Amino acid sequence: AQKITQTQPGMFVQEKEAVTLDCTYDTSDQSYGLFWYKQPSSGEMIFLIYQGSYDEQNATEGRYSLNFQKARKSANLVISASQLGDSAMYFCAMREGGFTGKLIFGQGTTLQVKP
Amino acid sequence: DVKVTQSSRYLVKRTGEKVFLECVQDMDHENMFWYRQDPGLGLRLIYFSYDVKMKEKGDIPEGYSVSREKKERFSLILESASTNQTSMYLCASSTGLGTEAFFGQGTRLTVV
Repeated sequence: AQKITQTQPGMFVQEKEAVTLDCTYDTSDQSYGLFWYKQPSSGEMIFLIYQGSYDEQNATEGRYSLNFQKARKSANLVISASQLGDSAMYFCAMREGGFTGKLIFGQGTTLQVKP
Repeated sequence: DVKVTQSSRYLVKRTGEKVFLECVQDMDHENMFWYRQDPGLGLRLIYFSYDVKMKEKGDIPEGYSVSREKKERFSLILESASTNQTSMYLCASSTGLGTEAFFGQGTRLTVV
């Protein structure tokens, strides 16, 4: 069965430093998609970045990059030059490749950026 | 702008009541999802739908049902609300192989 695991319930990072949030996944599909979302205290879900299983390059979006290691089934989010506004809950998610497009999420990691 | 709208932001219901949570999207997306979010447990998939009248159970379907009579609308039904269904409920939609899922603002349901 599909599964997403985020093993870091909480993380701290100093402002302007880089931070890596871990995500591992389990699937028997060959085709799938991986996502990261940010949820600030306001509760909205903000899409950050997407990686397809067949994409050879790691996805990047501004200060966000996804370190995709297919053999290890990991999809870690790297935030460079952390800002105070990055303090939030971060969720990793996976879409299965079948026609149903089932989308599941991990438990989340709370990131706090210290000034 | 893609919009996913949930009918209520906050809801208080009594134990045993039948509760309807409505979700509407305006982007003609095939897929729609209902999740509940609880501290420490992340977002857990309750049900999803990949087409009109098509639905699949997620990881925690017990106590819930869904309805999708029109493509844009996906309803979550609590047949007989219980206190352990007090939670934040999030609706999302996406295309079939979409590279982004869009979320509603969430409904915080309290069952007393």
